[in-house]
Amino acid sequence: GESVGLHLPTLSVQEGDNSIINCAYSNSASDYFIWYKQESGKGPQFIIDIRSNMDKRQGQRVTVLLNKTVKHLSLQIAATQPGDSAVYFCAEKARSGGGADGLTFGKGTHLIIQP
Amino acid sequence: DSGVTQTPKHLITATGQRVTLRCSPRSGDLSVYWYQQSLDQGLQFLIQYYNGEERAKGNILERFSAQQFPDLHSELNLSSLELGDSALYFCASSSEAYSNQPQHFGDGTRLSIL
Repeated sequence: GESVGLHLPTLSVQEGDNSIINCAYSNSASDYFIWYKQESGKGPQFIIDIRSNMDKRQGQRVTVLLNKTVKHLSLQIAATQPGDSAVYFCAEKARSGGGADGLTFGKGTHLIIQP
Repeated sequence: DSGVTQTPKHLITATGQRVTLRCSPRSGDLSVYWYQQSLDQGLQFLIQYYNGEERAKGNILERFSAQQFPDLHSELNLSSLELGDSALYFCASSSEAYSNQPQHFGDGTRLSIL
């Protein structure tokens, strides 16, 4: 079936730099996208979401960009801090007619912050 | 803290056995989702309940079942366990079934099959 995938399994950045994590999705029926952060031993933590009628959404130090033309999603983290070290997942939810569905997750990108 | 509580945190059992995992959703959330996370399959959606009723099914095996009780807590039952069932099992909750709202995850139950 269709799935969400990530381009890079590991991303290493210097503390204070900006990070960009990318995600490609293939389900054109998806209308809702979420980024999660997962630290070791914990469950996925909600970071930011975006609906398909938007191209960009900003939160505190994070920005999500959605390009529906090429089915691409990205998460930008400004001024990366040591606490940002984690695995980041993008997830999508397909527009459904009969009821709500669960999320389809990408494989994850491990973000490593270098001091 | 997401507000979603899962118990137990760890579970060790043998093949062929049956276990029950428990989830309490965030206060006010009516929808509960179960996910399985393994190294080879990643995070996969299993099943969703909304206000006591099954709403959607994902990649859930027939050996697995779930239910949501009147107080909205949910249980995931895994039976005839196999080595391949070793994984992290997460519960998530959201406020509504149909609207695009974020799902909030608990810290999971780590199931180890010996």
